[in-house]
Amino acid sequence: QKEVEQDPGPLSVPEGAIVSLNCTYSNSAFQYFMWYRQYSRKGPELLMYTYSSGNKEDGRFTAQVDKSSKYISLFIRDSQPSDSATYLCAMSEAAGNKLTFGGGTRVLVKP
Amino acid sequence: ETGVTQSPTHLIKTRGQQVTLRCSSQSGHNTVSWYQQALGQGPQFIFQYYREEENGRGNFPPRFSGLQFPNYSSELNVNALELDDSALYLCAVRTGAYEQYFGPGTRLTVT
Repeated sequence: QKEVEQDPGPLSVPEGAIVSLNCTYSNSAFQYFMWYRQYSRKGPELLMYTYSSGNKEDGRFTAQVDKSSKYISLFIRDSQPSDSATYLCAMSEAAGNKLTFGGGTRVLVKP
Repeated sequence: ETGVTQSPTHLIKTRGQQVTLRCSSQSGHNTVSWYQQALGQGPQFIFQYYREEENGRGNFPPRFSGLQFPNYSSELNVNALELDDSALYLCAVRTGAYEQYFGPGTRLTVT
């Protein structure tokens, strides 16, 4: 079993809808949680980062962390076709150290 | 803007050969990590360098080695290439408390 599980998708939504993404993990030592967006054949782009449990909002993006359930989520409001990409969750035990990634969820936003 | 660059963009090697990949950032951040991303999967941690010293290693054999230079640029060397080494190789620099930003990657194909 992988340390971080993520549904591979694809997740197809109409333009303007809310995209809901999530990851589960097994390592209770994870304290730092990140979401990356990756376009085809490009490097991952950091979207959101949070420490421990709680919510964080940045523009159209909201990240949630529930450490008691070992579950993290990313919500994208008012989705656009340009949001079509693979979304990767990542987490680490210590600040700035080894990141453990999920396998990524492919998202398609249809005009 | 971290300005993380990687070279070359892509290359093709033959099984058994050796390869060197390079990474640099505009601001010369002192912590750099390397990851391997196979097609359709999340990145896997290879190792991290902090101020020219290896500071953590993932589950990769010794034929994967690295260097970090005084200007904090970095190299990843892979000896005795195998077909399974075909992947996107990413470097990431630590820019703050725990944010890590990735370069565009080098796509390696081993035939």
